[in-house]
Amino acid sequence: ENVLTQSPDTLSLSPGERATLSCRASQSVTSSYLAWYQQKPGQAPRPLIYGASSRATGIPDRFSGSGSGTDFTLTISRLEPEDFAVYYCQQYGSSPRTFGQGTKVEIK
Amino acid sequence: QVQLQQWGAGLLKPSETLSLTCAVYGESFSSFYWSWIRQPPGMGLEWIGEINYNGGTNYNPSLKSRVTISVDTSKNQFSLKLRSVTAADTAIYYCARLPSWYSWFDPWGQGTLVIVSS
Repeated sequence: ENVLTQSPDTLSLSPGERATLSCRASQSVTSSYLAWYQQKPGQAPRPLIYGASSRATGIPDRFSGSGSGTDFTLTISRLEPEDFAVYYCQQYGSSPRTFGQGTKVEIK
Repeated sequence: QVQLQQWGAGLLKPSETLSLTCAVYGESFSSFYWSWIRQPPGMGLEWIGEINYNGGTNYNPSLKSRVTISVDTSKNQFSLKLRSVTAADTAIYYCARLPSWYSWFDPWGQGTLVIVSS
């Protein structure tokens, strides 16, 4: 199983600041088959990024993804009030499909 | 635009069988994979398994002995059964679509909270 470890667990930032979230895999992720999701309280996760760097439909360009192999990053260039949430990475290159434990982006 | 709507019993006793169904609206059921994911309260996400329209399945090894995912193409629905539940199975259960095997989950159902308690 490809274990994904996200860091940090919590990120305390102010609106307008830049957020950098990390996802590290225990094994190389096949073909950069890595996605990022945003989850707000009481809601299902929403896909943000797929293929490590492609934005999903309707996702604003302040969200960007990068990385390959075992190290991936989600960057939010300027935090908007609606961006404070929990973010998960997920690999879909091998079975079982696995998720990171999540990073909570909270208002400082 | 595809929408997933799910339902099922929300309160179970230990040793019972969890049963959930997810209906797919607005899109052909064929040519996709259909998946179940769960999330214990306040915790992270765990993939349970998936099925394609032909009935081919793939399960998480950690749950494989207790899980069955089935499909009813005539109703555009797929279902999850999890046998011999315990308190550790208390979670929000989500259904989701996979456009292909090498794909992310999009979209997701609204989620169903299942509590296992004696």
